[in-house]
Formats: sequence, C-alpha cells, structure tokens
Amino acid sequence: DTGVSQDPRHKITKRGQNVTFRCDPISEHNRLYWYRQTLGQGPEFLTYFQNEAQLEKSRLLSDRFSAERPKGSFSTLEIQRTEQGDSAMYLCASSLAGLDEQYFGPGTRLTVT
Amino acid sequence: KNEVEQSPQNLTAQEGEFITINCSYSVGISALHWLQQHPGGGIVSLFMLSSGKKKHGRLIATINIQEKHSSLHITASHPRDSAVYICAVYLRETSGSRLTFGEGTQLTVNP
Repeated sequence: DTGVSQDPRHKITKRGQNVTFRCDPISEHNRLYWYRQTLGQGPEFLTYFQNEAQLEKSRLLSDRFSAERPKGSFSTLEIQRTEQGDSAMYLCASSLAGLDEQYFGPGTRLTVT
Repeated sequence: KNEVEQSPQNLTAQEGEFITINCSYSVGISALHWLQQHPGGGIVSLFMLSSGKKKHGRLIATINIQEKHSSLHITASHPRDSAVYICAVYLRETSGSRLTFGEGTQLTVNP
C-alpha cells in the first residue's frame, strides 16, 4: 500500500499523559499536513511541513503540541500533558506541493479519559 | 461565520435518486476539494477543481468562481454512497498552505 499511513489508529490515554502519533506520507510528497477533527465537525488545520521545515502552525496548536518531520519523510505529532479537550481524530495528509490534491491517512482517534 | 458553508447538513435519499450537495465560500480561493469520509474516519479525495466541471463515474463536481459556489452531484445513488461529504478550499490568502473545511454533509442512501 503506497498511501498515507498513520499509527496508531486508536489511542486511549489518561489525562496528563503524553502521546505521540506517527504519519508516513506518500514517499515522493514534499508537503505534509496535520489536521484535527472533532465529532460532527470538519477537520481543522494544525500545522504543515514542506520537506523537513515546519512552515506554519495554527493558533489551535498550544505549547503542549509539537510536530517534527526529520529528514522530510515521516512526521510525528506529540501532545504533552493531555487534556480531555484533546480527544479528537488526528488526520495526516500529504501532497506533492502546495495547492495540490491532498491524500489523507486513516487518522488516529485519541480518547483522553 | 465559517468561511466554507455546506448545505444541507443531512440528506436522506432513496436508492437511484439524483443527489446534490452544495458548498459556498465567502473569500477568494485557489482551488476546491470534494472529499468523502466513511465511518471510522478515513477521508478520500473525490475531486480537486478550480474551474468548470469534472466527472468521475457517477460523481460530477462543478464550480462557479464568480458566484463562490460549488456543487457535488451523485447520479443513480446507491447505499454504498452513504458517507459524509466535505468541501474544502485552498484560501487565496493562505497561498495554498492548507485546506479550510466545511462541516460536512451526512448522506444516507436507503435501499
């Protein structure tokens, strides 16, 4: 399968714990995006990378959130000291370049208890 | 007010019916995506367009840049078309850095 993959698919954690998600984009894609989706809503932008450079972060991304894309390949999204409000689906997408069609991964569903 | 508005929010149809989902946006865009999301979360890109009309199988997407409006049509609908359909745009002001999404239209097609 050469699509976008995400790991894990589901994560249940207790409030205050740290979690890390991984996204593997389509291999030749330079752009990688993270979005968050809560129930009944459309996704919201969190951050994006052009190769290894993180070019923009949403105001939604508090200091507890950090994302990396070392070597411009896979990306990780870490949430420190999780809160119940962090419960959501975290979606990763990739594209060849800006303004190109984006291809989405299956998402990681986070539940904070 | 959301920059991208979809209507209707929910739509129930009988198998075989012609379906239209609408998307309006309030600011300048560079391109528009129609996406399909099935239960469980996976999102599939159906179309990306910046002008005119595109067709793929039973799906047709149109966009009118001057009127800031796009429609997604499904001909001869089938229960397997049941999903959430999401309109998303590249806002010109963000220069293609990310997509801005509508809230989605939940489509249910009954046999």
